[in-house]
Amino acid sequence: EAGVVQSPRYKIIEKKQPVAFWCNPISGHNTLYWYLQNLGQGPELLIRYENEEAVDDSQLPKDRFSAERLKGVDSTLKIQPAELGDSAVYLCASSLVRGGNEQFFGPGTRLTVL
Amino acid sequence: GNSVTQMEGPVTLSEEAFLTINCTYTATGYPSLFWYVQYPGEGLQLLLKATKADDKGSNKGFEATYRKETTSFHLEKGSVQVSDSAVYFCALQTGANNLFFGTGTRLTVIP
Repeated sequence: EAGVVQSPRYKIIEKKQPVAFWCNPISGHNTLYWYLQNLGQGPELLIRYENEEAVDDSQLPKDRFSAERLKGVDSTLKIQPAELGDSAVYLCASSLVRGGNEQFFGPGTRLTVL
Repeated sequence: GNSVTQMEGPVTLSEEAFLTINCTYTATGYPSLFWYVQYPGEGLQLLLKATKADDKGSNKGFEATYRKETTSFHLEKGSVQVSDSAVYFCALQTGANNLFFGTGTRLTVIP
């Protein structure tokens, strides 16, 4: 069974440029998560989807970040415009059902903003 | 609120040494507790979990016991190997399914 797929694995951009990250969850997983992992820190939740609905986006900086999950499968996280402080690893995870089931993580996208 | 406090690293051990990584938590309600591991260049993987007080999670020689009285979930392994070198994250999960992670502890095992 394929795991959570993320692309790109690495991205280098200049500040004020837009950037997008893509995630394909494990087949059949209806819950999808985006996490932000700063260097030397643990992941922090940005947004959680159940199917196509964003059920928790309280930690998403909505002035520059946006996300979508069309058709309840793949998801895209966008930053526009990027700032130096956005340099981090962006992790996607998925789980089978809400409440207590294991979250499976992708390898992450490492973003560097110059 | 929910938070996890982990032993700061890095930790360097010789092969076959005993490992303990401390983890304490603060949570509303009755969380589930997890240890995740991140090997170099790979994504986070679930190592073990415990869903209620006094449960012991175990996997690959690692163990952790959910201690409600001390709000702790310390990770232990009796004899570490070079292949155990990784970053270890303690985490808790509330009923809303959101995970709250500690800052991670980097373990390096030398031959």
